[in-house]
Amino acid sequence: KAGVTQTPRYLIKTRGQQVTLSCSPISGHRSVSWYQQTPGQGLQFLFEYFSETQRNKGNFPGRFSGRQFSNSRSEMNVSTLELGDSALYLCASSLAGVINEKLFFGSGTQLSVL
Amino acid sequence: AQSVAQPEDQVNVAEGNPLTVKCTYSVSGNPYLFWYVQYPNRGLQFLLKYITGDNLVKGSYGFEAEFNKSQTSFHLKKPSALVSDSALYFCAVRDANAGKSTFGDGTTLTVKP
Repeated sequence: KAGVTQTPRYLIKTRGQQVTLSCSPISGHRSVSWYQQTPGQGLQFLFEYFSETQRNKGNFPGRFSGRQFSNSRSEMNVSTLELGDSALYLCASSLAGVINEKLFFGSGTQLSVL
Repeated sequence: AQSVAQPEDQVNVAEGNPLTVKCTYSVSGNPYLFWYVQYPNRGLQFLLKYITGDNLVKGSYGFEAEFNKSQTSFHLKKPSALVSDSALYFCAVRDANAGKSTFGDGTTLTVKP
C-alpha cells in the first residue's frame, strides 16, 4: 500500500506570492490533517478535513486555506507569502480521524520564502 | 486546552545503555497519548500509543512507554539503545475533537557508539 504522498518536495517562493501544496492520503483514509513544522515553533496544527469538510482549524491567519476532494486528496494554499511562512509542511492521514487512530505522515513539503 | 511538554531538548546516551525520553501532558478528560519519531528529511512515524488498559505500552523497534496518571507522564523507554535510534522524538495528545493532535516540541536523541 502506498504511503502518504506530498508534492512538491521542495518549493522556493518570494514574498507576496501564493503557493499550493498537495497531499494524497493512504488509500481508504478519509481524514487528512496539515501541520506546519518550524525549528522554533515545533509542530503546529493547521486544519483537518474529513469527507471534503473542514472539521478542525488551528490558529493560523486566513491566508492559510485548504480543501479536500472527493477522492480524499487534499490541497493547502498559502496566499501573500511572508518570510515567516518558511517551514516544513506535513500532511497526515488516518482512516476516520477518530481519537484512538494513529497518524500516517508524508515526507513533507519544504517551503522557503525569500 | 490540552498541552504536552517534553522537558529535554536533547538526550545523549551510549549505545547499549537504556534510554528515557520524557513527556508530561495536560488534558481534560481521558488522555489519548502517542509517540512519533522523525528521521532527517522525513515525516513522522508512529511508535506507540496509550488509549486505555495497561500502563506499560509496547511499540515498534523495541520501544515502550510508561503511562503514569498521577504524574501525568508518558515517558518513552528502551532497554538498550542503538545508534540507529538517533532521531527526533515527539510526544502527542489527541484532541477530544479527534481531528487535531497537539505535539510537544520534540527531543533529539543521540546514541553514541
